Amino acid sequence: NAGVTQTPKFQVLKTGQSMTLQCAQDMNHEYMSWYRQDPGMGLRLIHYSVGAGITDQGEVPNGYNVSRSTTEDFPLRLLSAAPSQTSVYFCASSPKHLGQGPSSYNEQFFGPGTRLTVL
Amino acid sequence: GQQLNQSPQSMFIQEGEDVSMNCTSSSIFNTWLWYKQDPGEGPVLLIALYKAGELTSNGRLTAQFGITRKDSFLNISASIPSDVGIYFCAGWAGAQKLVFGQGTRLTINP
Repeated sequence: NAGVTQTPKFQVLKTGQSMTLQCAQDMNHEYMSWYRQDPGMGLRLIHYSVGAGITDQGEVPNGYNVSRSTTEDFPLRLLSAAPSQTSVYFCASSPKHLGQGPSSYNEQFFGPGTRLTVL
Repeated sequence: GQQLNQSPQSMFIQEGEDVSMNCTSSSIFNTWLWYKQDPGEGPVLLIALYKAGELTSNGRLTAQFGITRKDSFLNISASIPSDVGIYFCAGWAGAQKLVFGQGTRLTINP
């Protein structure tokens, strides 16, 4: 299994440009999510999906769109890039757990990240 | 929203020393996760905790799920150079959102 893959690894955009960050997983996980990581702030949830056709907002959704047409893919779209969106973006996926604890999901597996710079 | 307060923010230790870091919240969490992130990589899961009071080990790492369900700690014994990195605590807020602490940056002097 390749696990969680992300493309591109690096990207530079000009203010106002749009682009899509790709994320795919081959583990048949129901749950997928996008985070951004900024210095000193940990990882903040942008959007998440609990299955194909279902998406919801996280902590910092403004300026980003997502869709989940298949179990495997969860692309993140920047509609009109702004310098404030300069960050490292991580995609993650989780299997639905059976048994331990009341949470619906347990471990999250992360991709290698996309480093985005908006000029 | 729910937040996790992780401390310390950074640690500078000598190789061979033990390390302790913790995570607290004003809200109850049902699952606690501890991750390590190496430079240029995504976080990697170290330990998962599912029950209040649970103590779990993974090699030189030991983590505990606080009895109040509002805190957790991670200990690393006999640190080695490859332990360098950023350690994050995380907890599931409700059923569908994973919340992260700000991270503890560990630096080891040989």
